[in-house]
Amino acid sequence: IVLTQSPGTLSLSPGERATLSCRASQSISSGYLAWYQHKPGQAPRLLIYGASTRATGIPDRFSGSGSETDFTLTINRLEPEDFAVYYCQEYGSSRTFGQGTKVEIK
Amino acid sequence: EVQLLGSGGGLVQPGGSLSLSCAASGFTSNNYAMSWVRQGPGQGLEWVAAIAAGGFAAWYADSVKVRFTISRDNSKNTLFLHMDSLRVDDTAMYYCAKGSTGHRPYYFDHWGQGILVTVSS
Repeated sequence: IVLTQSPGTLSLSPGERATLSCRASQSISSGYLAWYQHKPGQAPRLLIYGASTRATGIPDRFSGSGSETDFTLTINRLEPEDFAVYYCQEYGSSRTFGQGTKVEIK
Repeated sequence: EVQLLGSGGGLVQPGGSLSLSCAASGFTSNNYAMSWVRQGPGQGLEWVAAIAAGGFAAWYADSVKVRFTISRDNSKNTLFLHMDSLRVDDTAMYYCAKGSTGHRPYYFDHWGQGILVTVSS
């Protein structure tokens, strides 16, 4: 399964909404899709699993949606600490990661 | 609190070998699958290898198959990655990652801080 994330870079201001897309080359069974946040010099952090379930401690401004081949990560009201690279991952069969979307400060 | 503390990185020449370790704490390691994930310079995350909770099965990305070996010592709560025949394109930050369960499917719910491996002459 190949995951294609778009856009490559998203330039936004704090307080705005970010909408990140992850498209799979074939249907992902049972919504086995996760989202991770990765900041330079830090370990990646799990945000969402099962396409829409927030991980422990993740603020509710982060939400995931989608099914089959089209998935979305939405970040409402961007906070300064949200500027990072975001990856989707299919974990049902291939463990494949998307190439990432960088959310940068405009 | 789950902690994953990696060690063992460094500079190695092409064709050389290197071993990485990841010491786990805060959970019963033999109940969870574990993986290694890497990020090359300017690149995204790439899954490298995974090992079952009991250590009796392992899986590898095509890019490292035959050259890398993942293993674990559950009595010492430690995960290993032994890398042979290293190539320049193996240069990356290597992360150990804890699976959410002991069996597939699992996502990675905790990650180590990263171990830098540089392959260069």
